[in-house]
Amino acid sequence: GIQVEQSPPDLILQEGANSTLRCNFSDSVNNLQWFHQNPWGQLINLFYIPSGTKQNGRLSATTVATERYSLLYISSSQTTDSGVYFCAGANYGGATNKLIFGTGTLLAVQP
Amino acid sequence: KAGVTQTPRYLIKTRGQQVTLSCSPISGHRSVSWYQQTPGQGLQFLFEYFSETQRNKGNFPGRFSGRQFSNSRSEMNVSTLELGDSALYLCASSLVKGNEQFFGPGTRLTVL
Repeated sequence: GIQVEQSPPDLILQEGANSTLRCNFSDSVNNLQWFHQNPWGQLINLFYIPSGTKQNGRLSATTVATERYSLLYISSSQTTDSGVYFCAGANYGGATNKLIFGTGTLLAVQP
Repeated sequence: KAGVTQTPRYLIKTRGQQVTLSCSPISGHRSVSWYQQTPGQGLQFLFEYFSETQRNKGNFPGRFSGRQFSNSRSEMNVSTLELGDSALYLCASSLVKGNEQFFGPGTRLTVL
């Protein structure tokens, strides 16, 4: 099955700094999503980005499907950005909606 | 439009008991998937339902089961609870297979 690798596993930033989170896939995916898990455990959708680039405020994401990776950019980080970021992918060739998650990046933004 | 809802939000059970968790998808969404999150194993896929049929199942024992109703609401059941079943159970819905998935707030199950 598909393996998803996220890096870095942990990241500490000062407020205002920029960061890049990476997600590598062992096989091609035709669904790729980025999530932020809030302190209560809910996964908040950041991007649905099988390919290309998208931006939403201070966050942007790029997926290069042919090279099997995706990047999440956080600019001008704020303390509220702290938490765990997950990427997840799915391959629908097998007629499944099953998402395979990475192990996450734990981000701590210090004031 | 209301998001995915899950009930109950918290649950405490003892070993050997059984539990039923409920998930109501976003209105109009027909695909529902369940995931288990634990500190040791991370987020793992449990099963997926579409049109009241289980389309896929993850690598979990038969004690874990589920179903989907005609209104797309879904339930999952865990029988003969074990300590290792303590986890956050997350439900996700999507319009159909292949679309963006949206997650509910989760049910945090503690088995004592």
